[in-house]
Amino acid sequence: LAKTTQPISMDSYEGQEVNITCSHNNIATNDYITWYQQFPSQGPRFIIQGYKTKVTNEVASLFIPADRKSSTLSLPRVSLSDTAVYYCLVGDPYNQGGKLIFGQGTELSVKP
Amino acid sequence: DTAVSQTPKYLVTQMGNDKSIKCEQNLGHDTMYWYKQDSKKFLKIMFSYNNKELIINETVPNRFSPKSPDKAHLNLHINSLELGDSAVYFCASSQANAGTSYNEQFFGPGTRLTVL
Repeated sequence: LAKTTQPISMDSYEGQEVNITCSHNNIATNDYITWYQQFPSQGPRFIIQGYKTKVTNEVASLFIPADRKSSTLSLPRVSLSDTAVYYCLVGDPYNQGGKLIFGQGTELSVKP
Repeated sequence: DTAVSQTPKYLVTQMGNDKSIKCEQNLGHDTMYWYKQDSKKFLKIMFSYNNKELIINETVPNRFSPKSPDKAHLNLHINSLELGDSAVYFCASSQANAGTSYNEQFFGPGTRLTVL
């Protein structure tokens, strides 16, 4: 399974757009990129998943360049409640039996 | 209307004891998982069951034995507890079909196990 690298921590202020970049140089053809969010004392929560180009949902956008060796999670106009750890994962979502490999994640701190 | 529930939420016990953590999902999913999150926040998969059959076993000590009585339940039994077993254990479920994938997993609230 492809290894991911992301910043350990990021700081932001309320109302700003936050972009968290993840590197995955060894991504395989069948791999998708998935992001999870984890609040303190809670289980991780699925945010978004994509294969290439751009994916957008009500929570975030995911930008994936043509070579797919990196991806960027974009959170528009963050609020204090977006303070959490964000995990980038890479893997085949249909043939791996659900084996998610979580890295260390990015601890996002949103300040007033 | 909790999707994935775990009991108990907290578990404090002595070394050498045997304990169980229960997990139930009401999402109708076919696949369930157990993860362990240690003090450094690393989240590692331990087991995965699909329709009551074991499909992933990540070299977990055999003191850990998952049991799936039906596809809505995946319980974790731990024998001879050790200090290093202290962690938060998360149960999760998913359903891979058109429009979704195994990667979209729904996690429970976690069980904080403390071994003294």
